[in-house]
Amino acid sequence: GAGVSQSPRYKVAKRGQDVALRCDPISGHVSLFWYQQALGQGPEFLTYFQNEAQLDKSGLPSDRFFAERPEGSVSTLKIQRTQQEDSAVYLCASSLNRGADTQYFGPGTRLTVL
Amino acid sequence: GESVGLHLPTLSVQEGDNSIINCAYSNSASDYFIWYKQESGKGPQFIIDIRSNMDKRQGQRVTVLLNKTVKHLSLQIAATQPGDSAVYFCAVLNQAGTALIFGKGTTLSVSS
Repeated sequence: GAGVSQSPRYKVAKRGQDVALRCDPISGHVSLFWYQQALGQGPEFLTYFQNEAQLDKSGLPSDRFFAERPEGSVSTLKIQRTQQEDSAVYLCASSLNRGADTQYFGPGTRLTVL
Repeated sequence: GESVGLHLPTLSVQEGDNSIINCAYSNSASDYFIWYKQESGKGPQFIIDIRSNMDKRQGQRVTVLLNKTVKHLSLQIAATQPGDSAVYFCAVLNQAGTALIFGKGTTLSVSS
């Protein structure tokens, strides 16, 4: 498909476990973003990559959250020692050019921490 | 900090009516605005965007209006259809140009 894909679509973790969420952006898109969406809320920004460079990580809620995009395409969001408050949908988006304008979103990964 | 707010959390319309969803933003220097539609279990889907050098932009059955004087944005959907039922988000580009700031969303329900 030509859109943004994310895996897994659903993830259940026990409190304290580490999780890794994958994002495959649209081919050729320079910019990649991660957002967190709590139930009934709008997406909240976590971090932004331009190619392989992480230019903004101001939205990451704690040092348990880590994101990478080593080759400027696929990205992974890792959450260490998960807590119940980490339960949310994690959305990935990509845009063609530098900057954050027209972003195309993936379906999200729903993380549930028990 | 920058924020985005919506006037109504829910909107119910009849099929065929026109729908208007409103949004307010806080930063008068904002220069890029975008509307997304999100259906249950899916990611946000791009609808239409507008830059601050415009006050109106039209797409297929949708129009976005921007009033910079009062920092207000609206999305108009013509001849609303049941398939338009979803949550609609407005978003504003942050000052750094690195992220979109989203409002809480308006749930549009269309009855036939």
